Amino acid sequence: DVKVTQSSRYLVKRTGEKVFLECVQDMDHENMFWYRQDPGLGLRLIYFSYDVKMKEKGDIPEGYSVSREKKERFSLILESASTNQTSMYLCASSLLGAVNEQFFGPGTRLTVL
Amino acid sequence: RKEVEQDPGPFNVPEGATVAFNCTYSNSASQSFFWYRQDCRKEPKLLMSVYSSGNEDGRFTAQLNRASQYISLLIRDSKLSDSATYLCVVNGAGGSEKLVFGKGTKLTVNP
Repeated sequence: DVKVTQSSRYLVKRTGEKVFLECVQDMDHENMFWYRQDPGLGLRLIYFSYDVKMKEKGDIPEGYSVSREKKERFSLILESASTNQTSMYLCASSLLGAVNEQFFGPGTRLTVL
Repeated sequence: RKEVEQDPGPFNVPEGATVAFNCTYSNSASQSFFWYRQDCRKEPKLLMSVYSSGNEDGRFTAQLNRASQYISLLIRDSKLSDSATYLCVVNGAGGSEKLVFGKGTKLTVNP
């Protein structure tokens, strides 16, 4: 079974803090993705990576950065958290190739106060 | 026009009903099409891929109309366990690895 894990289910941070969200997959997938999901807006892609040290901006990269030093791990960084970054963050992974299923982690509910 | 549009619902149907969801997409170069299911407070999971010839998986039937840029999902003999949000998903242009998700259609199946 593919397993995608995320470091925290719930996280509460203060405005201005630096926040790290970690994602690990155990199926040797090339692609990894970070999304945020908000009511009424659906899933929106923040960043994705198709290889170690490679990254591409998604639809809403502003205020975020990512790091992929190892194939199995993809980190999302909020350099200076703001209240409008309060959201559900979902990580996903897939094999290389557009027709491949994306497998999601359980999500991290981040609240920025 | 939004990239992927779905009727948000909610759809409330009795057990045993047949329900259909529709979805339109704007990028004519998209090549891969999916329906994902998301249970309340859970992550999305693939329900089924959608092929040009249409495909069926038990009570679920997916159809694709490339000319109209339209995707559908039909659920027959609805079960209580079908209650979830159904996401229409399309890949980006040019064989992109990126997926574009619709906002989802919420279904509640009532006893």
